[in-house]
Amino acid sequence: AQSVTQLDSQVPVFEEAPVELRCNYSSSVSVYLFWYVQYPNQGLQLLLKYLSGSTLVKGINGFEAEFNKSQTSFHLRKPSVHISDTAEYFCAVRPPAAGNKLTFGGGTRVLVKP
Amino acid sequence: DAGITQSPRHKVTETGTPVTLRCHQTENHRYMYWYRQDPGHGLRLIHYSYGVKDTDKGEVSDGYSVSRSKTEDFLLTLESATSSQTSVYFCAIRAQGGGERGTEAFFGQGTRLTVV
Repeated sequence: AQSVTQLDSQVPVFEEAPVELRCNYSSSVSVYLFWYVQYPNQGLQLLLKYLSGSTLVKGINGFEAEFNKSQTSFHLRKPSVHISDTAEYFCAVRPPAAGNKLTFGGGTRVLVKP
Repeated sequence: DAGITQSPRHKVTETGTPVTLRCHQTENHRYMYWYRQDPGHGLRLIHYSYGVKDTDKGEVSDGYSVSRSKTEDFLLTLESATSSQTSVYFCAIRAQGGGERGTEAFFGQGTRLTVV
């Protein structure tokens, strides 16, 4: 079984400041890792994913994340946030085998202040 | 929206009544999932399907049942709704293919269910 911990439930940040959202996971097998974003009253949208290869992955809207196998972490970063980045962000993992399901963290709510 | 439609989008129902939520996809994807979203818990898997008439339980399946009689439709039923089932319900789909194609799950817009 897998588990995902998002260490911050809320992150307030000023516009144009950097932001980092922390995600740690636990799994006895290798996993794919994902970050999803949920804007108010919307479904989830994929930001980025790590499957294999380079540990630094770039996603949409200027976000990037770094996979650290030894620390079992997959932290999400953006160097300069906009008001439109106000949303809830979810980290998720899934073992690669076809039938496996996503396991989500509890979410981090980002509030960007002007 | 990746061809996913959830209905209804909002529903208020009374305790003890049955409720059915529908997820419809136009992508012909093999895997379909029902999640519930609650503050602090992220999304938790209720049931999933890996093909027509092939379904299995997730981590929070008590009080829920599902059916998939056609590839495109995955129904979630609350047999007798309780207040603890007040939540936002999301359907997701995923392609079967290997490599990049099968890695990403696509989510519907959600159904907000209130049980009073």
